[in-house]
This record gives sequence, structure tokens and C-alpha cells, in this order.
Amino acid sequence: GAGVSQSPRYKVAKRGQDVALRCDPISGHVSLFWYQQALGQGPEFLTYFQNEAQLDKSGLPSDRFFAERPEGSVSTLKIQRTQQEDSAVYLCASSLVGNTEAFFGQGTRLTVV
Amino acid sequence: AQRVTQPEKLLSVFKGAPVELKCNYSYSGSPELFWYVQYSRQRLQLLLRHISRESIKGFTADLNKGETSFHLKKPFAQEEDSAMYYCALSKGYGNKLVFGAGTILRVKS
Repeated sequence: GAGVSQSPRYKVAKRGQDVALRCDPISGHVSLFWYQQALGQGPEFLTYFQNEAQLDKSGLPSDRFFAERPEGSVSTLKIQRTQQEDSAVYLCASSLVGNTEAFFGQGTRLTVV
Repeated sequence: AQRVTQPEKLLSVFKGAPVELKCNYSYSGSPELFWYVQYSRQRLQLLLRHISRESIKGFTADLNKGETSFHLKKPFAQEEDSAMYYCALSKGYGNKLVFGAGTILRVKS
């Protein structure tokens, strides 16, 4: 396919709103990662899936953040009651397995106003 | 704690000049280091990883455990090398990465 696809590309949310960010990984990729990239910073790890199992969610900054991958393919990152500090680019990456090359999506730029 | 430091936010060189993008890390175990690149309006992509010991687009990087460094080098910069470069460290397993803040490389003609 065309690579890892993320939607929407841009999202503006009012403070307190819930948002859902979608990631379509490359077909057949077992591993899926979410990263958060604040302005002027490098990406920071949020969570990792192997198929449908969320094996690591140590990077999720608060219990307002929730991620799922119910059928082991598409993943959704949900942020409840958004706050201004949630404004960032959210990147999704997938790989065949955990330690092979990761392919990144274009990201979703979230702005909380 | 694992950390990656890229001390330069911006590196500006002339075409044909040598390039060295600095990266230092702190990690208690045996590190696996990467360089990622993001060209204008494109997605983040892997440039090279230290275990493969490859030269990609003329770039090389040597892991120096004594100095805890993984500097990216190219002997002769080209305009198409202009991009944002991130150094990253694998934290436990392959693609759980700790990234530096990035260095913008500008190659002037």
C-alpha cells in the first residue's frame, strides 16, 4: 500500500472535548507504536501493540489517553477531556515485528484551543 | 534514565563541506542507536542503525561507547541532504525509541 496512513491530518479541539486519532498500519505489520511530538522536540513514546495486544502503555501521560487495536490492524488513540498541553503531533509507526524497521505515518497535528 | 542529546538545533554548511551531526546518549545497558531523517513535507524515515554498519546516502555513524556518542558524518554535503535529523536510542526493544530533539541541517549552495 501507500504506507502508514493517519487521519485526520489536522484536528482542532476545544479544551474539554474528546478526540479520536486513527492509524492504518502497513498491511501485515504486527507491531504498532504511537508517539507524541511536541513543538521543537523529538517524538516521545506513548504505547506499543503487538497484533491486538497492548504490551506497553508506559508512555501514556495520563488516564485521559487510551489506545486500542481491537482486530490487530487499525489503531485508535483517544484523548478524553483534551487540555492545551495535549497539543502536539501524534505519530503512528508500524513494523513487521518489534525490532525491524519502523515506518512512520505523516502524523496528526492536534491543536487544543 | 535513558536520554539522547543533540546539542545543535541548527547546523548550516556549504555544499561540498564535511558534515558532522552530534549525538550523545546515556543508557545503562547495551545500546542500539539509530539516525532518522525527515525531509521537508515528508514523513520520518530511518536513515541508518548502528548494528547494520551501513553507509546510507554517503552518511556513516560509529558508536563510541567510551564517549557515549553516535555522531552522523558525511564527507561532502549535498543540497538534498537538507532536512531534520533525529538521533534515537532503542529502549528495551526494537522500536520503542527515545529520540533527541533533532538537528536541522541546511546545506547552502
